[in-house]
Amino acid sequence: EIVLTQSPGTLSLSPGERATLSCRASQSVSSSYLAWYQQKPGQAPRLLVYGASSRATGIPDRFSGSGSGTDFTLTISRLEPEDFAVYYCQQYDSSPRSFGQGTKLEIK
Amino acid sequence: QVQLVQSGSELKKPGASVKVSCKASGYTFSNYALNWVRQAPGQGLEWMGWINTNTGNPTYAQGFTGRFVFSLDTSVRTAYLQISSLKAEDTAVYYCARNWGYFDLWGRGTLVTVSS
Repeated sequence: EIVLTQSPGTLSLSPGERATLSCRASQSVSSSYLAWYQQKPGQAPRLLVYGASSRATGIPDRFSGSGSGTDFTLTISRLEPEDFAVYYCQQYDSSPRSFGQGTKLEIK
Repeated sequence: QVQLVQSGSELKKPGASVKVSCKASGYTFSNYALNWVRQAPGQGLEWMGWINTNTGNPTYAQGFTGRFVFSLDTSVRTAYLQISSLKAEDTAVYYCARNWGYFDLWGRGTLVTVSS
């Protein structure tokens, strides 16, 4: 089973700043089968990025994903007030599918 | 409209059973796998497994065998999650999510509360 570890656990930033979220896998994720999701309180997760770097439909271009192998990053270039939420990475290279434990992005 | 509509919240006693539904609309049901994801209160996301919407064959993640059953009724484009012998630790929001790899469409979730 691939274990995903996200860091930091909590990230405190201000609107307009740049956010960098990390996701490290316990073994290589082939073909960059890694996705990122955003979840706000009381809502279902929303797909942001798949294939490590492809933005999902309707996702603003301030969100970008990068990385390969065991190290992946989600970058939000200029934080908007609506971006403060919990972010999860997920691998779909192998079964069982697995999620990271999440990074909470909070307003500083 | 492309969506997954889940059934409403449930309050059950320990030992009872619950059946959560997930109705698909706006797309070809058999073209996409259906997954189930659990989120305990204040916790992260946990993949429970998936069901092949062509064959009805379910696959369960470790920890979700025995008491958990995935099923389909293709005539009404609906997937079901049944949990038997409910325990307090089954209290969670249960989501259905579309697709085999990454999950591009999610239901709003069904809160199942197990309490005496």
